[in-house]
Amino acid sequence: AQSVTQLGSHVSVSEGALVLLRCNYSSSVPPYLFWYVQYPNQGLQLLLKYTSAATLVKGINGFEAEFKKSETSFHLTKPSAHMSDAAEYFCAVKRMTQKLVFGQGTRLTINP
Amino acid sequence: GAGVSQTPSNKVTEKGKYVELRCDPISGHTALYWYRQSLGQGPEFLIYFQGTGAADDSGLPNDRFFAVRPEGSVSTLKIQRTERGDSAVYLCASSPRGDNTGELFFGEGSRLTVL
Repeated sequence: AQSVTQLGSHVSVSEGALVLLRCNYSSSVPPYLFWYVQYPNQGLQLLLKYTSAATLVKGINGFEAEFKKSETSFHLTKPSAHMSDAAEYFCAVKRMTQKLVFGQGTRLTINP
Repeated sequence: GAGVSQTPSNKVTEKGKYVELRCDPISGHTALYWYRQSLGQGPEFLIYFQGTGAADDSGLPNDRFFAVRPEGSVSTLKIQRTERGDSAVYLCASSPRGDNTGELFFGEGSRLTVL
């Protein structure tokens, strides 16, 4: 069964610093991979997705993620954190079935 | 509205009661999903509809949980004999016909509290 592991349930960075949120997946075949963001009291919103095209995927709000098959990773990065980036971030994987399987989530806190 | 709409936004009930949660997907989206999100956890898949039929209900935890989508649009998640462990945010999502890349559009969720 496919699964997703997010390393670090809570990440804290200073405003302007690099954001790195880690995601590893387990799958024998490269799947579709996603990052979703959940702001307080809002629904999940798609940040970006990998669908076997370019391995470096750019998303909204300056985020990007790189698919690395050799490491089975899909880490999310942003060069310079902004206060408005504070939220919960979820990595998700989809392969043969239609359903998305989500990781446990990483809460990102931005310090002024 | 343009997005996925879920009602009620909050529901408090007593153990043993029956609960219905409603989801109105984005117009024209044929696929509809229910997920459950417990505190501090990621969303957990419950059931997926393509049109009126449940294409995958493998995530329903037991036979107290049931979902319908009789006309291929609005869906209702039904929970019988609620237990305290059912307390969670129930998320609904929809996606367009023919979209195999898996992007889902989520509602804001229905928070269920079982006392």
